[in-house]
Parts: sequence; C-alpha cells; structure tokens
Amino acid sequence: QKEVEQNSGPLSVPEGAIASLNCTYSDRGSQSFFWYRQYSGKSPELIMFIYSNGDKEDGRFTAQLNKASQYVSLLIRDSQPSDSATYLCAVNTDAGNMLTFGGGTRLMVKP
Amino acid sequence: DGGITQSPKYLFRKEGQNVTLSCEQNLNHDAMYWYRQDPGQGLRLIYYSQIVNDFQKGDIAEGYSVSREKKESFPLTVTSAQKNPTAFYLCASSLRQMNTEAFFGQGTRLTVV
Repeated sequence: QKEVEQNSGPLSVPEGAIASLNCTYSDRGSQSFFWYRQYSGKSPELIMFIYSNGDKEDGRFTAQLNKASQYVSLLIRDSQPSDSATYLCAVNTDAGNMLTFGGGTRLMVKP
Repeated sequence: DGGITQSPKYLFRKEGQNVTLSCEQNLNHDAMYWYRQDPGQGLRLIYYSQIVNDFQKGDIAEGYSVSREKKESFPLTVTSAQKNPTAFYLCASSLRQMNTEAFFGQGTRLTVV
C-alpha cells in the first residue's frame, strides 16, 4: 500500500461546479498536509496547507482534514477552466523529516 | 532572491551516455528531493537527502545516482543503466520540520536522442 494515495482521474466537472479531490494516507503520525497544483510542463505550486482537523478556507478553495479516517480533501468551488491541472497531495511523514507525495489527480473543468 | 534553481531546462542525451542534472538552493533547507514525472503521471521519488553527505533511495532509484557534498547542492546523474530516462525531472527542497512545505525548481526535461 502506498503511503499517500489519490485517484489519478481524470476528474471532469462543468464550469461553475464544485470539484472534490481526495487523498488518503497511511501514517497515523502525519501532522501536516499540503495541496499543490501543477499545470502541464510546469513545476508544482502550493495552494493550500492544513494542520488541524476540520476545514480551512482560502477563497474558492477549502481543505478538509479528518485524521481519524486518515483522509484530506480539497474542494474547489465555482470551478473555472483555468483550474484544469493536476492536483498533488503531500503529507509530512517520518516525524516531519520529509514530504511524501501522492500520484496526483488530473482535473478537467469543461466550459 | 531565495529559491531553488535547476539547470539545464532542456537536456538531450545520447544512448549510453551519463548526464548530470543540477539542483541548487539558497533557502538554507536541509532536505532535498529528486522526482521523476512521466507524461500524464504523478511524481515518483528517485532519491532524497536530509543532511549533507547522506541520502536515501526512493521508489525508483535504479539507474540514477546522487551526491550531497554541500547543503545547497543535490545533483542527479542519470546513468546509462537507466533504460528509459526520457522524462521531466523535478528537484525540491524543504526544512526538516513539521508544517513546512516543499519548494520546487522549474524542472529539467530530459530527452534521449
């Protein structure tokens, strides 16, 4: 079992809809969680991070963390075609000494 | 400006050649990572280093080698033993602390000709 798992997609949503991206992790000691967005041919850029159980909102983005169930989600409200990208989940593992990335979910927002 | 720099941006390799990809950071980060990304795929970890003069294999280390002689530098050599090296290579760095993100370089696109 991989340490951080994501559905590879593609996840296709219509413009204006809510896109929901999910990530599960295996290390119960993980304490910090990051969402990166990567456009094709570019390097990943950080869009959200979350450390505590519950929701964290930033503009159209909401990160949700449930440590008991070991999953973290990213919701994108009012999805735009410019949101079409691969979204990578990263988890701090090994007592914080390294980040482990999931394989990413490709999101396609159709006009 | 602080950041992480990869060079070159594009690299072409002939069959049987070794090539070295450069990664330099001036963020004073302890940890550095090399990832490989194939078209339409996610990141796969090649090697990582948490301190100078120490590094560990990731999931796909075969055919690659690294060194960490300086905190700022973590070069990756793609050897002739790597049979399918054409890919996008990303270097990243981070502090060795909880609640800190990783920063990425701009990537090197390697093509075998």
